[in-house]
Amino acid sequence: GAVVSQHPSRVICKSGTSVKIECRSLDFQATTMFWYRQFPKQSLMLMATSNEGSKATYEQGVEKDKFLINHASLTLSTLTVTSAHPEDSSFYICSASRGGEAFFGQGTRLTVV
Amino acid sequence: KQEVTQIPAALSVPEGENLVLNCSFTDSAIYNLQWFRQDPGKGLTSLLLIQSSQREQTSGRLNASLDKSSGRSTLYIAASQPGDSATYLCAVRNEGGSSNTGKLIFGQGTTLQVKP
Repeated sequence: GAVVSQHPSRVICKSGTSVKIECRSLDFQATTMFWYRQFPKQSLMLMATSNEGSKATYEQGVEKDKFLINHASLTLSTLTVTSAHPEDSSFYICSASRGGEAFFGQGTRLTVV
Repeated sequence: KQEVTQIPAALSVPEGENLVLNCSFTDSAIYNLQWFRQDPGKGLTSLLLIQSSQREQTSGRLNASLDKSSGRSTLYIAASQPGDSATYLCAVRNEGGSSNTGKLIFGQGTTLQVKP
């Protein structure tokens, strides 16, 4: 099946710094990718839709200046958490679809200390 | 607005039992429905994808059904094993977008524990 790879799987950063998370579609091209956030014991919350070659579409309540998304190629989208704070600590997951089937990355556990 | 509900939230069964997980959605105008498995601290693994025109899909011990008119899907797991312990999520993709660009709307998940 199609593979979506996410990197890093874990990151610890200091408060005030920025962290970049990469999402790659390994064997297919994805004009659209999605970024989710997941809190403990909860389902996925869609943060934004990443569109190749254009601006991302953010869900209501998600700060676009806080969570910068870049989708510069058909196989790569990046999410940068800027000026991270402890409340940004969470599990972030990306996905891309092929043939209508969604495939997810392994997730990134972000801890801001 | 589409809402997806999964019942039960948690389920514990002895090994070998057959079980059914339920998913309901409020708007029947869906493009497709997908069942996922999530292990703790991991991403989601796609289990089964059912197109809106289909009634069911099978993969090994898993069978997913779809009744679009009533807004329901079930995931049937036969002869459950301890390795099936995980959280199972269903998600629908609404009509109106393309098959690859439309958003997924997730249920809250059912956490399954299969005891040896």
